[in-house]
Formats: sequence, C-alpha cells, structure tokens
Amino acid sequence: DTGVSQNPRHKITKRGQNVTFRCDPISEHNRLYWYRQTLGQGPEFLTYFQNEAQLEKSRLLSDRFSAERPKGSFSTLEIQRTEQGDSAMYLCASSPGQGENTIYFGEGSWLTVV
Amino acid sequence: QKEVEQDPGPLSVPEGAIVSLNCTYSNSAFQYFMWYRQYSRKGPELLMYTYSSGNKEDGRFTAQVDKSSKYISLFIRDSQPSDSATYLCAMSAFGNEKLTFGTGTRLTIIP
Repeated sequence: DTGVSQNPRHKITKRGQNVTFRCDPISEHNRLYWYRQTLGQGPEFLTYFQNEAQLEKSRLLSDRFSAERPKGSFSTLEIQRTEQGDSAMYLCASSPGQGENTIYFGEGSWLTVV
Repeated sequence: QKEVEQDPGPLSVPEGAIVSLNCTYSNSAFQYFMWYRQYSRKGPELLMYTYSSGNKEDGRFTAQVDKSSKYISLFIRDSQPSDSATYLCAMSAFGNEKLTFGTGTRLTIIP
C-alpha cells in the first residue's frame, strides 16, 4: 500500500496524558497536512509542512499541540495534557506539490480521551 | 456564517437514481474545488478535482463549478448501494494550500 499511513489507528488515553500520532506520507510528496475531524463535521485544518518547514498553523492548534516533520519525510503530531475536547479523528494528508494540487488523506487516527 | 455551507442531509435515494450534492461558499478567492467520499470511520477519499469554473466528468461522477454564483455540485449517475457514504466538498484559494471543508452530506442508496 503506497497511500498515506497513520499510526496508531486508535488511541484511548486518560485526561492529562500525552499522545503522539505518526504520519508517513505518500513517497516523494513534499507537502504534509494535519486535520482534525469531529463527529458530523468536516475536517478542520491544523497545520501543514513543505518538506521540513512548517508553513502555517491554525488558531485551533493550541500550545498543547505540536507537529514536526524533522527530515521532510514522516511527521508526528503530539498532544500534551490531553483534554476530553481533544477527542476526535486526526487526519494526515499529503500532496505532491510542484504544480499538482491534489491532496490525499490517510485513514486517520482516532483519539478518545477518558 | 461558515465559509463553506453544505446540507448535512441525510439524503436517501433509490438505486439507479441521479444524485445531486451541492455546496455554496462565500470566499471569492477559492479557485480549487474538490469532492471527497468518506465511509464510516475511514479517511476521505478524493473523488473529483476541479480548477476554476466548468464541468468535469469521471465515469458516473460529474463535478460542476459556478464561481459567479459561488456554487458547486456533484452529480452521481446510476447510483449504487456502494455509493452510500458521506460526501465532503472542499476548496482552497491556492493549489496545495489548506482546504476548507463543508460539513458533509450523508447519502444512502436504497437497493
């Protein structure tokens, strides 16, 4: 499978714990995006990278959230001191860049904070 | 008011019918328009991609964009039960930039 890969697919954590999600984009895709989706809503943009540079962060991304893409390949999204309101599906997507504008999503990582 | 409005449904139609899904938007800077299909607890799957105004056809799917009215549509011909899913419209001002999504329309095709 050469699509966008996300791990873990499901995570249940206690309030106050830290969680980290990993995303492996489609090979040679320069752009990588993180979105959050709650039940009955469309995905909401969180942040995106061009190679290793983080180009934009949404106001939704509080100080407890941090994303990295250290070598311009895979990315991690860490949530510190989780709250129940963080329960959602976290989606990663990637795009080739360089004139091709299609954006492909992974299967998502479900987070439940109890 | 949201930048992208989409009727959440649910929408139920009999198998074989033509389905029409729509979104309206307020940001005149949007130039790139996409439709995604999302099955329950799965990630969105790209169906159609359109730049600026016009029509695009791919098999049973047709996407239409009317920038003058800020209105986009997705038509599904000869609908199948396997088309039952949530359909999300998404758009952006610049290619490869962040997408703004509608809330999604939940569609059920009745055999």
